[in-house]
Amino acid sequence: EIVVTQSPDTLALSPGERATLSCRASHSIDTSIAWYQHKPGQVPRLLINDASNRVTGVPDRFSGSGSGTDFTLTITSLEPEDFAVYYCQERGRWPRLSFGGGTKVEIK
Amino acid sequence: QVHLIQSAADVKKPGASLKLSCQTSGYTFVHYGISWVRQAPGQGLEWMGWTSAYNGNINYAPRFQDRITLTTDTSTGTVYMDLRNLTSDDTAVYYCARDEPQVQLDHWGLGTLVTVSS
Repeated sequence: EIVVTQSPDTLALSPGERATLSCRASHSIDTSIAWYQHKPGQVPRLLINDASNRVTGVPDRFSGSGSGTDFTLTITSLEPEDFAVYYCQERGRWPRLSFGGGTKVEIK
Repeated sequence: QVHLIQSAADVKKPGASLKLSCQTSGYTFVHYGISWVRQAPGQGLEWMGWTSAYNGNINYAPRFQDRITLTTDTSTGTVYMDLRNLTSDDTAVYYCARDEPQVQLDHWGLGTLVTVSS
Protein backbone atom coordinates (compact mmCIF):
# COMPACT_ATOMS: atom_id res chain seq x y z
CA GLU A 1 0.00 0.00 0.00
CA ILE A 2 1.30 3.44 -0.93
CA VAL A 3 0.87 6.14 1.69
CA VAL A 4 1.03 9.82 0.82
CA THR A 5 1.83 12.43 3.45
CA GLN A 6 1.15 16.11 2.92
CA SER A 7 2.80 19.02 4.69
CA PRO A 8 2.13 21.34 6.28
CA ASP A 9 -1.33 20.62 7.63
CA THR A 10 -2.15 24.32 7.49
CA LEU A 11 -0.55 27.20 5.63
CA ALA A 12 -1.52 30.72 6.72
CA LEU A 13 -0.71 33.25 4.01
CA SER A 14 -1.88 36.58 2.66
CA PRO A 15 -3.27 37.24 -0.81
CA GLY A 16 -0.43 37.81 -3.23
CA GLU A 17 1.96 35.54 -1.37
CA ARG A 18 3.45 32.34 -2.72
CA ALA A 19 2.19 28.98 -1.45
CA THR A 20 4.32 25.86 -1.51
CA LEU A 21 2.59 22.59 -0.63
CA SER A 22 4.41 19.29 -0.28
CA CYS A 23 3.40 15.69 -0.82
CA ARG A 24 5.58 12.67 -0.11
CA ALA A 25 4.86 9.11 -1.22
CA SER A 26 6.03 6.08 0.75
CA HIS A 27 7.22 4.37 -2.45
CA SER A 28 8.49 5.72 -5.74
CA ILE A 29 5.55 6.48 -8.05
CA ASP A 30 7.31 8.16 -10.98
CA THR A 31 5.01 11.10 -11.79
CA SER A 32 1.69 9.47 -10.83
CA ILE A 33 0.47 12.34 -8.71
CA ALA A 34 -2.57 14.58 -9.05
CA TRP A 35 -3.60 17.65 -7.07
CA TYR A 36 -7.14 18.73 -6.17
CA GLN A 37 -8.62 21.89 -4.70
CA HIS A 38 -11.58 21.46 -2.36
CA LYS A 39 -13.67 24.29 -1.01
CA PRO A 40 -16.44 23.94 1.62
CA GLY A 41 -19.76 23.02 0.04
CA GLN A 42 -18.18 22.30 -3.34
CA VAL A 43 -16.85 19.22 -5.05
CA PRO A 44 -13.12 18.58 -5.40
CA ARG A 45 -11.59 20.15 -8.48
CA LEU A 46 -8.75 18.49 -10.38
CA LEU A 47 -5.89 20.96 -10.88
CA ILE A 48 -2.83 18.98 -11.88
CA ASN A 49 -2.23 15.45 -13.12
CA ASP A 50 0.91 13.53 -14.01
CA ALA A 51 2.72 15.66 -11.40
CA SER A 52 3.04 18.77 -13.55
CA ASN A 53 0.28 18.80 -16.18
CA ARG A 54 -2.15 21.62 -15.53
CA VAL A 55 -5.72 20.68 -16.41
CA THR A 56 -7.57 22.83 -18.94
CA GLY A 57 -8.99 25.95 -17.35
CA VAL A 58 -6.68 25.99 -14.34
CA PRO A 59 -4.86 29.33 -13.98
CA ASP A 60 -1.15 29.28 -14.67
CA ARG A 61 -0.35 30.50 -11.15
CA PHE A 62 -0.81 26.83 -10.20
CA SER A 63 2.11 24.56 -11.01
CA GLY A 64 3.19 21.09 -9.98
CA SER A 65 6.60 19.47 -9.88
CA GLY A 66 8.43 16.42 -8.66
CA SER A 67 8.93 12.75 -9.40
CA GLY A 68 9.66 9.59 -7.48
CA THR A 69 8.56 10.27 -3.92
CA ASP A 70 8.57 14.05 -3.49
CA PHE A 71 6.11 16.42 -5.09
CA THR A 72 5.21 20.08 -4.81
CA LEU A 73 2.21 22.22 -5.68
CA THR A 74 3.07 25.89 -6.01
CA ILE A 75 0.65 28.78 -6.20
CA THR A 76 2.76 31.72 -7.25
CA SER A 77 0.51 34.56 -6.07
CA LEU A 78 -2.53 33.69 -4.00
CA GLU A 79 -5.86 35.04 -5.12
CA PRO A 80 -8.80 35.27 -2.67
CA GLU A 81 -10.48 32.30 -4.37
CA ASP A 82 -7.43 30.07 -3.81
CA PHE A 83 -7.99 29.70 -0.08
CA ALA A 84 -9.11 26.10 0.23
CA VAL A 85 -7.93 22.61 1.13
CA TYR A 86 -5.56 20.94 -1.32
CA TYR A 87 -5.15 17.19 -1.66
CA CYS A 88 -2.54 15.20 -3.48
CA GLN A 89 -3.53 11.80 -4.89
CA GLU A 90 -1.16 9.02 -5.92
CA ARG A 91 -1.76 6.38 -8.59
CA GLY A 92 1.42 4.38 -8.36
CA ARG A 93 -0.36 1.01 -8.58
CA TRP A 94 -3.27 1.61 -10.93
CA PRO A 95 -6.20 1.31 -10.51
CA ARG A 96 -5.74 1.77 -6.79
CA LEU A 97 -5.20 5.28 -5.52
CA SER A 98 -4.90 7.10 -2.24
CA PHE A 99 -5.15 10.69 -1.06
CA GLY A 100 -2.94 12.63 1.25
CA GLY A 101 -4.45 14.14 4.36
CA GLY A 102 -4.74 17.59 2.81
CA THR A 103 -3.21 21.02 3.35
CA LYS A 104 -5.49 23.86 4.31
CA VAL A 105 -4.44 27.19 2.84
CA GLU A 106 -6.02 29.87 4.98
CA ILE A 107 -5.94 33.64 5.08
CA LYS A 108 -3.37 35.07 7.44
CA GLN B 1 -21.38 18.51 -20.85
CA VAL B 2 -20.36 15.81 -18.42
CA HIS B 3 -22.74 15.18 -15.53
CA LEU B 4 -22.73 12.69 -12.70
CA ILE B 5 -26.04 12.67 -10.85
CA GLN B 6 -26.01 11.03 -7.44
CA SER B 7 -28.82 9.71 -5.32
CA ALA B 8 -30.42 11.71 -2.54
CA ALA B 9 -29.26 11.95 1.05
CA ASP B 10 -30.10 9.04 3.29
CA VAL B 11 -30.22 8.05 6.94
CA LYS B 12 -29.36 4.51 7.97
CA LYS B 13 -29.25 2.57 11.21
CA PRO B 14 -26.11 0.78 12.38
CA GLY B 15 -25.83 -2.65 10.82
CA ALA B 16 -27.87 -1.68 7.78
CA SER B 17 -26.73 -1.51 4.16
CA LEU B 18 -26.82 1.35 1.71
CA LYS B 19 -26.99 1.47 -2.08
CA LEU B 20 -25.97 4.66 -3.82
CA SER B 21 -26.31 5.45 -7.49
CA CYS B 22 -24.28 7.57 -9.88
CA GLN B 23 -25.96 8.25 -13.22
CA THR B 24 -23.68 9.64 -15.90
CA SER B 25 -24.34 11.64 -19.06
CA GLY B 26 -22.54 13.82 -21.56
CA TYR B 27 -19.76 11.41 -22.48
CA THR B 28 -19.19 7.89 -23.80
CA PHE B 29 -19.75 5.86 -20.66
CA VAL B 30 -17.74 2.81 -21.65
CA HIS B 31 -14.60 4.85 -22.34
CA TYR B 32 -14.07 5.72 -18.67
CA GLY B 33 -14.11 4.27 -15.21
CA ILE B 34 -15.84 5.49 -12.08
CA SER B 35 -14.24 5.85 -8.66
CA TRP B 36 -16.03 6.31 -5.36
CA VAL B 37 -14.56 8.64 -2.76
CA ARG B 38 -15.95 9.63 0.60
CA GLN B 39 -15.37 12.40 3.11
CA ALA B 40 -16.35 11.97 6.73
CA PRO B 41 -17.11 15.11 8.77
CA GLY B 42 -13.92 17.03 9.43
CA GLN B 43 -11.83 14.45 7.59
CA GLY B 44 -10.05 14.23 4.27
CA LEU B 45 -10.87 12.40 1.06
CA GLU B 46 -10.85 8.61 1.13
CA TRP B 47 -10.88 6.41 -1.96
CA MET B 48 -13.20 3.40 -1.76
CA GLY B 49 -13.09 1.66 -5.10
CA TRP B 50 -13.06 1.83 -8.89
CA THR B 51 -14.87 0.12 -11.71
CA SER B 52 -14.22 0.12 -15.42
CA ALA B 53 -17.29 0.75 -17.52
CA TYR B 54 -15.37 -0.71 -20.47
CA ASN B 55 -14.79 -4.24 -19.22
CA GLY B 56 -16.36 -4.40 -15.76
CA ASN B 57 -13.04 -4.71 -13.93
CA ILE B 58 -13.26 -3.68 -10.29
CA ASN B 59 -10.78 -2.80 -7.57
CA TYR B 60 -11.58 -2.02 -3.95
CA ALA B 61 -9.58 -0.26 -1.28
CA PRO B 62 -8.40 -2.91 1.19
CA ARG B 63 -10.26 -1.47 4.15
CA PHE B 64 -13.61 -1.79 2.35
CA GLN B 65 -12.89 -5.04 0.51
CA ASP B 66 -15.18 -7.22 2.63
CA ARG B 67 -18.28 -5.01 2.63
CA ILE B 68 -18.40 -3.03 -0.63
CA THR B 69 -19.77 -3.99 -4.03
CA LEU B 70 -19.72 -1.88 -7.20
CA THR B 71 -22.07 -2.73 -10.05
CA THR B 72 -22.64 -1.14 -13.43
CA ASP B 73 -25.64 -0.77 -15.72
CA THR B 74 -24.18 0.10 -19.10
CA SER B 75 -27.66 0.52 -20.62
CA THR B 76 -28.29 3.59 -18.44
CA GLY B 77 -24.70 4.68 -17.76
CA THR B 78 -25.19 4.18 -14.03
CA VAL B 79 -22.82 2.85 -11.40
CA TYR B 80 -24.04 1.61 -8.02
CA MET B 81 -22.19 1.23 -4.77
CA ASP B 82 -23.38 -1.10 -2.03
CA LEU B 83 -21.87 -0.76 1.43
CA ARG B 84 -22.88 -3.27 4.10
CA ASN B 85 -22.76 -3.46 7.88
CA LEU B 86 -22.77 0.29 8.44
CA THR B 87 -21.45 1.95 11.57
CA SER B 88 -21.44 5.56 12.69
CA ASP B 89 -17.95 5.83 11.17
CA ASP B 90 -19.59 5.50 7.74
CA THR B 91 -21.33 8.83 8.17
CA ALA B 92 -19.91 10.82 5.27
CA VAL B 93 -20.48 12.50 1.96
CA TYR B 94 -20.01 9.92 -0.79
CA TYR B 95 -18.83 11.08 -4.19
CA CYS B 96 -18.58 9.34 -7.51
CA ALA B 97 -16.08 10.65 -10.03
CA ARG B 98 -15.22 9.94 -13.64
CA ASP B 99 -11.87 8.23 -13.71
CA GLU B 100 -9.38 7.91 -16.54
CA PRO B 101 -5.90 6.38 -16.10
CA GLN B 102 -3.85 9.34 -17.30
CA VAL B 103 -6.26 12.07 -16.29
CA GLN B 104 -7.43 10.93 -12.85
CA LEU B 105 -10.73 12.12 -11.34
CA ASP B 106 -11.78 14.94 -13.62
CA HIS B 107 -15.55 15.21 -13.08
CA TRP B 108 -17.34 14.64 -9.80
CA GLY B 109 -20.91 14.18 -8.71
CA LEU B 110 -22.27 16.59 -6.12
CA GLY B 111 -22.10 13.91 -3.45
CA THR B 112 -24.60 12.05 -1.29
CA LEU B 113 -24.73 12.67 2.45
CA VAL B 114 -25.23 9.43 4.35
CA THR B 115 -25.88 9.59 8.07
CA VAL B 116 -25.63 6.43 10.15
CA SER B 117 -27.39 6.82 13.46
CA SER B 118 -29.54 4.80 15.79
